[in-house]
Amino acid sequence: QKEVEQDPGPLSVPEGAIVSLNCTYSNSAFQYFMWYRQYSRKGPELLMYTYSSGNKEDGRFTAQVDKSSKYISLFIRDSQPSDSATYLCAMIPLNTGNQFYFGTGTSLTVIP
Amino acid sequence: DVKVTQSSRYLVKRTGEKVFLECVQDMDHENMFWYRQDPGLGLRLIYFSYDVKMKEKGDIPEGYSVSREKKERFSLILESASTNQTSMYLCASSPGRRGRNQPQHFGDGTRLSIL
Repeated sequence: QKEVEQDPGPLSVPEGAIVSLNCTYSNSAFQYFMWYRQYSRKGPELLMYTYSSGNKEDGRFTAQVDKSSKYISLFIRDSQPSDSATYLCAMIPLNTGNQFYFGTGTSLTVIP
Repeated sequence: DVKVTQSSRYLVKRTGEKVFLECVQDMDHENMFWYRQDPGLGLRLIYFSYDVKMKEKGDIPEGYSVSREKKERFSLILESASTNQTSMYLCASSPGRRGRNQPQHFGDGTRLSIL
């Protein structure tokens, strides 16, 4: 079993929809959680960085962490065609030298 | 803004060649990383470095080596390129000493094809 599981999709939604992207994990030592957005032929770009359970909001994006369920989510409100990309979740255990654990990414297409 | 620059966006090499991929970051970050990204497999860590002249193996170091002579530059070397090393290679950097749990910042990648 992989340490981080992420549904690869593809996910296709109409413009303006609310998008929910999810990752589950098995290692209770994960303490720091990130979401990256990767456009085609580009590198991953950091979107959200959170520590501990709860919600963090940044514009149309909300990151949610539920440590008790080992589940994290990224919500995108009022989705736009420019949100079409692959979204990667990433996690770091506490005090283990900055080694990341990545999900394999979910491909999202927002249709105008 | 953090800038991680990879010297080539696309590279085509032949089997058996020695290949150098270069990465430079401009934010004085201590930590630098090399990944490869393949469809269905996600990002896999090849090597990383916490300081100049230091290196540590990641999950898939076989067939690769690295060099970090200066803090801002981290090079990935394919000693004798093989077709199974055709992939997207991503360099990343992050601040802080070992264990500080800071996000990594990525370059735009080098798409390497080995013929």
